[in-house]
Amino acid sequence: EIVLTQSPGTLSLSPGERATLSCRASQSLRSRQLAWYQQKPGQPPRLLIYGASTRATGIPDRFSGSGSGTDFTLTISRLEPEDFAVYYCQHYGTSRTFGQGTKVEIK
Amino acid sequence: EVQLLESGGGLVQPGGSLRLSCAASGFTFSSYAMSWVRQAPGKGLEWVSSISGSGGSTYYSDSVKGRFTISRDNSKSTLSLQMNTLRAEDAALYYCAQNSAGMPVADGALFDYWGQGTLVTVSS
Repeated sequence: EIVLTQSPGTLSLSPGERATLSCRASQSLRSRQLAWYQQKPGQPPRLLIYGASTRATGIPDRFSGSGSGTDFTLTISRLEPEDFAVYYCQHYGTSRTFGQGTKVEIK
Repeated sequence: EVQLLESGGGLVQPGGSLRLSCAASGFTFSSYAMSWVRQAPGKGLEWVSSISGSGGSTYYSDSVKGRFTISRDNSKSTLSLQMNTLRAEDAALYYCAQNSAGMPVADGALFDYWGQGTLVTVSS
């Protein structure tokens, strides 16, 4: 089973700042099958990125994903007020596992 | 517009059973694999089970294998999860999710759309 470890646990930033979230896999991910989801309080997750770097439909271009192998990054170039949320990475291959989440909170 | 509406959650005693349902609309239900994903209160996401569009192939996490059964009725656009021998650690918000098209369910699960969830509480 592939284990995904996200860091940091919490990121305290101000609107307009850049957010960099990390997701590390316990073994190399074949075909870059890594997705990122955003979850706001009381809402279901929303798909942001798949294939490590492809934005899902309707996702603003301030969200970008990068990485390969075992190390992946979600970058939010300039935080908008609506971006403060919890972010999860997921290996959507056969392990279907999620990371434990990174909370992006207002500083 | 894709809509997924879960129901059937509630309070159940340890060892008991519960059946969750998900009513789907806004897409050709039989063309998509579907899944259940759960989230314990204040915790992260955990994939539970997936089923192919035809219903002929099913997949389960190790934590629920042998206790939960996923099924679907394509004539009614409904997904179900029969949960037996429930444990305290099964308590969670259960989400119904539509798998992304083009990815064989045997190869994994990417979730394009999610319902709002139905809450399962396991307590005596």
